[in-house]
Amino acid sequence: GAVVSQHPSWVICKSGTSVKIECRSLDFQATTMFWYRQFPKQSLMLMATSNEGSKATYEQGVEKDKFLINHASLTLSTLTVTSAHPEDSSFYICSVRIGAINSPLHFGNGTRLTVT
Amino acid sequence: GENVEQHPSTLSVQEGDSAVIKCTYSDSASNYFHWYKQELGKGPQLIIDIRSNVGEKKDQRIAVTLNKTAKHFSLHITETQPEDSAVYFCAASILQGSGYALNFGKGTSLLVTP
Repeated sequence: GAVVSQHPSWVICKSGTSVKIECRSLDFQATTMFWYRQFPKQSLMLMATSNEGSKATYEQGVEKDKFLINHASLTLSTLTVTSAHPEDSSFYICSVRIGAINSPLHFGNGTRLTVT
Repeated sequence: GENVEQHPSTLSVQEGDSAVIKCTYSDSASNYFHWYKQELGKGPQLIIDIRSNVGEKKDQRIAVTLNKTAKHFSLHITETQPEDSAVYFCAASILQGSGYALNFGKGTSLLVTP
């Protein structure tokens, strides 16, 4: 069954508004969650690593003030795209690891963000 | 850093034929390799993985082979079915700092025609 639940599955917003995406781990506690971004017909790009109770670790080139990550509990991480612009339109996917720190990733079903 | 090259970018096969997708990696320290299947509008799902101390692993119609010397690993799908149509991503795991980084290939769009 599903390991990770992501919501919403799609969202359309106007330029300048902010959008929050939720990622929940189901039936287990996740101290770390990973946020990926995927452009059409392209690979997965790691944006940041969300750490429960502490600051997220952002990959090079990802604006932390633009993509706010909050991991306030062991089952919930949120990604907020602030002051969204059309170029932020993309597919955002969260993921977790279960077990060992090098175990494979379990992905959510993603959120399709369209900024008009 | 680690670089993962995936080929081909698109692959079309007839139902019942086999499909092979290959990935090469650059860093010999990579020690765990994954294959993910992504259907349209969904997140990727792990379909098979292999550790560096194993040369081959099979799960029904799916197999992964690893050649550490040549630094490449391949996904093999036999007796393909239309529902195998999806985008497949390879990934190589490497120790980075206190954690493990996962480097993805650019994906292969597989189409299985009836």
